[in-house]
Amino acid sequence: AQKITQTQPGMFVQEKEAVTLDCTYDTSDPSYGLFWYKQPSSGEMIFLIYQGSYDQQNATEGRYSLNFQKARKSANLVISASQLGDSAMYFCAMREDNYGQNFVFGPGTRLSVLP
Amino acid sequence: EPEVTQTPSHQVTQMGQEVILRCVPISNHLYFYWYRQILGQKVEFLVSFYNNEISEKSEIFDDQFSVERPDGSNFTLKIRSTKLEDSAMYFCASSGGGALDTEAFFGQGTRLTVV
Repeated sequence: AQKITQTQPGMFVQEKEAVTLDCTYDTSDPSYGLFWYKQPSSGEMIFLIYQGSYDQQNATEGRYSLNFQKARKSANLVISASQLGDSAMYFCAMREDNYGQNFVFGPGTRLSVLP
Repeated sequence: EPEVTQTPSHQVTQMGQEVILRCVPISNHLYFYWYRQILGQKVEFLVSFYNNEISEKSEIFDDQFSVERPDGSNFTLKIRSTKLEDSAMYFCASSGGGALDTEAFFGQGTRLTVV
């Protein structure tokens, strides 16, 4: 079974608008961390935001926020005021404390920001 | 901001040759990882390393692969006899702690091309 699901293979958004990238996860471990990474065409993996399973508040980092709904096991990334430079592949990933703390990645969503 | 450094950024090698991919993790981190991403595909776990030994490895990480932390700073991935299907982007990552640790960073990747 897939541990991380990203149902949107591709998304388009108009510049300056907000966009939500979906991520659902599957775990029975009470201690886990959720990550979002951006991968531009140059290939590097850029850390964007982190949410821990015990965090009470949704994480925010500048224009990025994480809509964490624990009961639904979802951790959607919200990008506000999209910029052309946001065009990239976005990966949701999870680490579980009882499974070696390895990252498990979703298949990714390709975001294209339109001028 | 601290960063994970990988060298080389791009390596081309003949099939059957040995390659060593190098990584300098963040200095006070404890967990180290290698992942690979075949072009256009998902990010796949290879191996994790903790307390100077392999803590987990995937099916991909067969006898052709090995990892070392030879001097307390570098973390290397060796592929003994490269195959065409080893062509991929290889990412090193390090983390300060377990799943609830907010610090988990990836290097910029090494693009390996086997010809």
